[in-house]
Amino acid sequence: GAGVSQSPSNKVTEKGKDVELRCDPISGHTALYWYRQSLGQGLEFLIYFQGNSAPDKSGLPSDRFSAERTGGSVSTLTIQRTQQEDSAVYLCASSFPGADTQYFGPGTRLTVL
Amino acid sequence: AQSVTQLGSHVSVSEGALVLLRCNYSSSVPPYLFWYVQYPNQGLQLLLKYTTGATLVKGINGFEAEFKKSETSFHLTKPSAHMSDAAEYFCAVSERAAGNKLTFGGGTRVLVKP
Repeated sequence: GAGVSQSPSNKVTEKGKDVELRCDPISGHTALYWYRQSLGQGLEFLIYFQGNSAPDKSGLPSDRFSAERTGGSVSTLTIQRTQQEDSAVYLCASSFPGADTQYFGPGTRLTVL
Repeated sequence: AQSVTQLGSHVSVSEGALVLLRCNYSSSVPPYLFWYVQYPNQGLQLLLKYTTGATLVKGINGFEAEFKKSETSFHLTKPSAHMSDAAEYFCAVSERAAGNKLTFGGGTRVLVKP
């Protein structure tokens, strides 16, 4: 079946602009995670959604970052007023509720000029 | 809080030689442990995992890892390296009570020499 998909695959933006990154999880996966992979910080957790529960936002680095999940499926990660340090690969993962294994998408490479 | 340490950011092995990637973790509760592989410009692919039961776990592509609680380690091995093993490898830990969100090590990039 289809895996986790993310769009766009690459995004180049200018400093100060807002960007939206999209994640389509595997069908039936109610848990959805966002991670960031950057040269300076490695792989780090950003936010976690599980069903209708309040999301775990403990990994978001600043209030410029936000995410939503509509209809329990597609998720959008929004970065406002982008900075150069936001340049990274943003990875999305999904899993069945309570499952220990996450399945990752190919990522979105964000470059802030 | 959980943490993961991978010894060596880069490892170079000859084709046919043993691959050994080291991972140590800290966790306040029994952890779930994972090894993921990342090929260039791709996402993360699960190699293997330990949750409960047998401490020696086998994964895809001939890799295996052993959970040693006394050493808080989860080292990854493969008896004979292949050129296709060239990639970056990440060790990770999660806690079920924390929604299974993953904490990753810094990664080890493996170069395989012919």
